[in-house]
Amino acid sequence: AQSVSQHNHHVILSEAASLELGCNYSYGGTVNLFWYVQYPGQHLQLLLKYFSGDPLVKGIKGFEAEFIKSKFSFNLRKPSVQWSDTAEYFCAVNARGNNRKLIWGLGTSLAVNP
Amino acid sequence: DTAVSQTPKYLVTQMGNDKSIKCEQNLGHDTMYWYKQDSKKFLKIMFSYNNKELIINETVPNRFSPKSPDKAHLNLHINSLELGDSAVYFCASSQVGRGADTQYFGPGTRLTVL
Repeated sequence: AQSVSQHNHHVILSEAASLELGCNYSYGGTVNLFWYVQYPGQHLQLLLKYFSGDPLVKGIKGFEAEFIKSKFSFNLRKPSVQWSDTAEYFCAVNARGNNRKLIWGLGTSLAVNP
Repeated sequence: DTAVSQTPKYLVTQMGNDKSIKCEQNLGHDTMYWYKQDSKKFLKIMFSYNNKELIINETVPNRFSPKSPDKAHLNLHINSLELGDSAVYFCASSQVGRGADTQYFGPGTRLTVL
């Protein structure tokens, strides 16, 4: 069965620190990969996605993620976080050919201290 | 020009009552979803409709009944509400075959069962 694992459940950083959130998935076939962000009290918004081409994907607000197929990973990065990045971050995967069903990680709660 | 809208935003009700949540999308998407997010932020897919046809029906009590009058609307009716139904319910939509089927989320409905 497909699954998504996010290694860090809670991350606390100071402003200007660098961020890397881990995401690994288990699925043997071709996948589409997503990172969503949920700011406090708000709905989920797409940060970035990968479905083909350059494995280094750039998203909104200075975020990027790298798809490493051999490691089944899609880690999210940001070189310098801001207080406004405080949010829940969710990694999700769907399998090509079954694009309707997203498999979600449990989320990582990021708190950035000013 | 909200893309995915839900009503109501907040719903407080007594155990045993029946309630409905409405969702509308103006993105022209052919697929809509209902998710439940619990207090630990875990996201669980409940249902998905494609062109008014039910395509995903996860293990959800049959007190929950989705209804899609047309492809732009997906409503969720809940009978005999229980304490454990308290959660945030998110509606989402996507277009199969476009952009890796990115799902766009509504603002959520926070349901509190007393």
